[in-house]
Amino acid sequence: NAGVMQNPRHLVRRRGQEARLRCSPMKGHSHVYWYRQLPEEGLKFMVYLQKENIIDESGMPKERFSAEFPKEGPSILRIQQVVRGDSAAYFCASSHRDSNQPQHFGDGTRLSIL
Amino acid sequence: GQQLNQSPQSMFIQEGEDVSMNCTSSSIFNTWLWYKQDPGEGPVLLIALYKAGELTSNGRLTAQFGITRKDSFLNISASIPSDVGIYFCAGPNGQNFVFGPGTRLSVLP
Repeated sequence: NAGVMQNPRHLVRRRGQEARLRCSPMKGHSHVYWYRQLPEEGLKFMVYLQKENIIDESGMPKERFSAEFPKEGPSILRIQQVVRGDSAAYFCASSHRDSNQPQHFGDGTRLSIL
Repeated sequence: GQQLNQSPQSMFIQEGEDVSMNCTSSSIFNTWLWYKQDPGEGPVLLIALYKAGELTSNGRLTAQFGITRKDSFLNISASIPSDVGIYFCAGPNGQNFVFGPGTRLSVLP
């Protein structure tokens, strides 16, 4: 009964490199959400995707950040040309059927930028 | 957009005490969710509420959907050390959910 799986759990990048964060939703879930969490803060919504579609990306920076959820495979959050301020925990959540169903979270990817 | 407030921001209690925390919104919600986050892990869903006035329990946890539909409450009875963590409320915001800033709970032995 696998839950939401995120990898890697920890990712270290140098400034200017690219970071790719992966998320496999719970079995049967077709809605994926990405959140960002800074230390001692709450969860900030970034993007909501269904298979092959971005539904709401209002919380995602317009530059350097992109997300996809292909027909096959995990959802990917991609950060290009990372900067120190990108250091944070990035959480993925998934839900069943429609967007107002409770979301179930993975254990996150902790991104550190050197 | 929607914003949620949680109170208290943090609390320190003795093991065995009961805990109460709340979440308020400026808008009416039709769903309230309560999550707990342990250090280094993702939030775990504790309780989901779908109707004004609804009272739902999960073990020692009880949550209520406020009758004004602008607030929700979470109570923990007879706290134990593993209750330590951050408790988040969440409510619908368009096609996703907005999360409160969290209540940080510390339990002293």
